[in-house]
Amino acid sequence: EAGVVQSPRYKIIEKKQPVAFWCNPISGHNTLYWYLQNLGQGPELLIRYENEEAVDDSQLPKDRFSAERLKGVDSTLKIQPAELGDSAVYLCASSFAGATEAFFGQGTRLTVV
Amino acid sequence: KQEVTQIPAALSVPEGENLVLNCSFTDSAIYNLQWFRQDPGKGLTSLLLIQSSQREQTSGRLNASLDKSSGRSTLYIAASQPGDSATYLCAAHTQGGSEKLVFGKGTKLTVNP
Repeated sequence: EAGVVQSPRYKIIEKKQPVAFWCNPISGHNTLYWYLQNLGQGPELLIRYENEEAVDDSQLPKDRFSAERLKGVDSTLKIQPAELGDSAVYLCASSFAGATEAFFGQGTRLTVV
Repeated sequence: KQEVTQIPAALSVPEGENLVLNCSFTDSAIYNLQWFRQDPGKGLTSLLLIQSSQREQTSGRLNASLDKSSGRSTLYIAASQPGDSATYLCAAHTQGGSEKLVFGKGTKLTVNP
C-alpha cells in the first residue's frame, strides 16, 4: 500500500513568488493534515481536513496561505506571496479518522531566497 | 493549551545499550500518544501509537508506556543499534475543539558503533 505522497520534495523560489505543494493521502483516509516544521522544532499544525471540509484552520496565516482538498482526496497548499520566513519543511499527514494513527509524507523542503 | 516536552534533547550511546526517551505533556485530555522517528531530510515514520486507555505498546525492540494521569510517556529501546540513530518525536493527540497532534521538539539519538 502506498504511503502519503508529497510533491515536490524540494523547492527554491525567490521571495514574493507563489508556490504550491501537493499531497496525496493514503487511500481511504478521511483526515488530512498540513504541518509546518522549522529546523530543530517539532511540526506545528497549519490546517486539518475531515473529508473536503477544513475543520481547523486557526493556525493558517490566511493573508498569504490557502489550501484546498477537492473531492476529499488530494490536497494543495499554496503560499502567495512567499516570504523569507516561510523557509521550512511542509509535511502532509493522513489518518483513517480524526484520532487514529497518523502517517506522514516525506515533506517538501521550501527555501525562499 | 497542550505543551509537549522531550528530554533529553540529544543522547549519544554506545551500540548495544538499552535506553529511555522521555516525553511529558501538560493536558491529560488526549485521545492517544504517538511516537515517530525522523531521519535527516526525511518525513516522520510512525513507530508506536498508545491509546489513552492503554498503558503500553510494544513493537520489536521498542516499548512505549503511557501514564496519562502524570502526563508522561517513555520510549524504551532495547539493544540499540547504529541504525537507530535518528530524531525521535512524541506527539499528543489532543481532545476538545482543536483536535490535533501536538509535538515535542524531539530527542536526537546517536548510537555509536
